[in-house]
Amino acid sequence: GQQLNQSPQSMFIQEGEDVSMNCTSSSIFNTWLWYKQDPGEGPVLLIALYKAGELTSNGRLTAQFGITRKDSFLNISASIPSDVGIYFCAGVLGGSQGNLIFGKGTKLSVKP
Amino acid sequence: DSGVTQTPKHLITATGQRVTLRCSPRSGDLSVYWYQQSLDQGLQFLIQYYNGEERAKGNILERFSAQQFPDLHSELNLSSLELGDSALYFCASGPHGRDEKLFFGSGTQLSVL
Repeated sequence: GQQLNQSPQSMFIQEGEDVSMNCTSSSIFNTWLWYKQDPGEGPVLLIALYKAGELTSNGRLTAQFGITRKDSFLNISASIPSDVGIYFCAGVLGGSQGNLIFGKGTKLSVKP
Repeated sequence: DSGVTQTPKHLITATGQRVTLRCSPRSGDLSVYWYQQSLDQGLQFLIQYYNGEERAKGNILERFSAQQFPDLHSELNLSSLELGDSALYFCASGPHGRDEKLFFGSGTQLSVL
């Protein structure tokens, strides 16, 4: 089936540092989304991207939809302890029923 | 709070048994999606219902089935349980038949012993 390759698998950073993670695929996606899952909770949508090249911010978070429509990245600036969690990229394939396909996630841990 | 309610929060059962997971979508949402989350496989799409009808099917085993009732709540039935079925099962809802912005419940943690 279709796969989204997310990297890194995990990150352990110092509070205040910037974070960067990305997602790639061999398939073209119409939409890219980034979700965050807090411990013990379900994923929550952070950012949605709809056009190739689109750059969107949500507070300290910035995400971009790759020009080739096969990748996306998420940056978090000045990380804080509540940024801890698992970040998932998700994509909607073109021309299909449009079910979301999720990456395996990037687990972020922040040292205070 | 996403507005999606899942029960029970935890379920412990034995191999060979059958369980039912329940989901109430956000008010007004017509679609319910079921996902399985395991450590090595991430979030795997199982099945989607839209306004009572099956809309899309993912990697759902034949031992698993789901339905959506007239009041739009949904149930996921897992039978002949195996150890490998232990996972976190999420329900998500969306307003349309084709949703990108999903609202997830808190999940049901299933442990098969």
